[in-house]
Parts: sequence; C-alpha cells; structure tokens
Amino acid sequence: GDSVTQMEGPVTLSEEAFLTINCTYTATGYPSLFWYVQYPGEGLQLLLKATKADDKGSNKGFEATYRKETTSFHLEKGSVQVSDSAVYFCALSLTDKLIFGTGTRLQVFP
Amino acid sequence: KAGVTQTPRYLIKTRGQQVTLSCSPISGHRSVSWYQQTPGQGLQFLFEYFSETQRNKGNFPGRFSGRQFSNSRSEMNVSTLELGDSALYLCASQRTRDSSYEQYFGPGTRLTVT
Repeated sequence: GDSVTQMEGPVTLSEEAFLTINCTYTATGYPSLFWYVQYPGEGLQLLLKATKADDKGSNKGFEATYRKETTSFHLEKGSVQVSDSAVYFCALSLTDKLIFGTGTRLQVFP
Repeated sequence: KAGVTQTPRYLIKTRGQQVTLSCSPISGHRSVSWYQQTPGQGLQFLFEYFSETQRNKGNFPGRFSGRQFSNSRSEMNVSTLELGDSALYLCASQRTRDSSYEQYFGPGTRLTVT
C-alpha cells in the first residue's frame, strides 16, 4: 500500500547548522507531497508542498524537491534557529486523505 | 480568515461512555477530514466528509462515526470508549476533494479515557 518513510529522530543541531530530514514514499499513482510541522501542544501546520515531479516547495527558509526517480521529498534548511524546534511530518496525498510518516523531532540548541 | 476550530480542546471521559467532538472548517472549504494521533500509531486517517456525505473511511471500528452538516461543520462521535481511544483528534479542512489542495488542521481535541 501507499506509505511514507521518514528518518528516525530526534535530530539534534546547533543554531545555524544545516538541516536535512529524509523522506521517501511508496505510491501507486502520482501523489502530492507535503511537509507539516507540529509545535508542542498544537495541531499541524502546513510547511510546504509539491504537486508534481521536479517541483520545489519552499517556505520560511525550508525547501523540498519532489524527486520521482528516487521517490523522495527531503526537507532542507540552510541555517536552523531555536524556534524551528518541533516535530516534522512528511505526507502524501493521492485522493482526499493524507498518509503521514512517523514524524521527526528536531531539537535546535543555541 | 479564521482557521479551523475544534471544540472542546480537552476532554476526560471514562470507559464505556461516548463522546462527540466538533470541527468548524475554514470558510469556503467543503471537505473535512478527521485524524487520530497517538504516540504509538502516529497520525491515522479516520474519515472524510464532503457535501454531507462520507467519502472515505480509514481502518477504524464502527464505534467511530461522524457526520457533516450543510454549513460544512463536522462532528465525530466515539461510542463505548476504550482506554486505547485516548489520543489527539485532529480535524482538517480542504477547499475541495483534490489531492493538490493542502489540508489545514485545527488545534485538535485531546481526549483522555480513564
């Protein structure tokens, strides 16, 4: 079935370090891909999306490129801040429901 | 533009009781989906409603049900609560039933079953 695999966390970084969170997917069709972020005690916020191969989604310094050949959608940021500490979820959508990865906790220290 | 709202934010129930959670989508959004989030199972899709009809359902027992009203507001109901139903229940709204449209999430209802 359709699924999303994310790297295990936590990912621990110092402020201004480079961030990569790996995400790969398995899908029978051509899904849309999303990254959501969840801060403590809150719901999910959409971070960025890409709807077709080679699309790059970007927001708040985060980027991810839809790679059909490697079925990947890795999240990157050039310089993380303490305020980026949260749980990040990769997700795919083929119809009207989202299939999520297990989430990756990011901890950024000053 | 107001976001997705969910009420109540917190609930404590005992085993065997039933509970109803409410979700108001973003104005103009016609699709509402529900998800359950637990530490063990992560985020799992419960069901999706569009134009007052359930269009898609996840792999949950019949104790979990929902409905959508003509103004797109949605409720979900869980009957005969079990300890394992303790979770964060998230509602998401989407403009229409198209995978390219993003879903916007509410803050969730934290249900604790004792």
